[in-house]
Amino acid sequence: QVQLQESGPGLVKPSETLSLTCTVSGVSVSTPRSFWSWSRQSPGKGPEWIGYIYYSGSPNYNPSLKSRVTMSLDTSKNQFSLKLSSVTAADTAVYFCARENDDGDFFDYWGQGTLVTVSA
Amino acid sequence: DIQMTQSPSSLSASVRDRVTITCRASQTIRTYLSWYQQKPGKAPKALIYGATSLQSGVPSRFSGSGSGTDFTLTISSLQPEDFATYYCLQTYNTPRTFGQGTKVEIK
Repeated sequence: QVQLQESGPGLVKPSETLSLTCTVSGVSVSTPRSFWSWSRQSPGKGPEWIGYIYYSGSPNYNPSLKSRVTMSLDTSKNQFSLKLSSVTAADTAVYFCARENDDGDFFDYWGQGTLVTVSA
Repeated sequence: DIQMTQSPSSLSASVRDRVTITCRASQTIRTYLSWYQQKPGKAPKALIYGATSLQSGVPSRFSGSGSGTDFTLTISSLQPEDFATYYCLQTYNTPRTFGQGTKVEIK
């Protein structure tokens, strides 16, 4: 079965870079027509889409975060990653990785989410 | 960005009630609309995609309708495990945008 699992530090200092990895099992990140995405959710709010990296390695970022976001794909480890630079307290959230299925244009598999707190 | 407006933001209902949640897009998104259920501390779970298609394994009491700008999620007979928060999501273009959520609570 397909599983996604986020990993990375749960605490990041202001102005530093948040780095998360999503390890995928049960399907290859090179599967055609798959978008590997990151979203985040602050307490009591709806999810916010951060961006995706296509199976080919092409990224697409939310313009609201574009200047600070980098996503990458590691096919040898079947992982994809998120880096968010110059973080502030406003970046404190639960971060989810997910796959967007191009066949149905929806997010069919999700990681469980990981809380990242930005604090000194 | 396409704005997704859900209503109501919360509702109280009883087991076996019929529940309807609506989602309106700020411009046409054809049928690039999916619905998710989220329980506290958990990831969202896909219920409906393509506005009307039921995701595998999801009970048939869930259904979706609509196209263009107006969409509906219906739970035909609310069950105890359905008390949760529901979100719509548009994948018509980027940035992908979610609705603000509808919390379904026990009356």
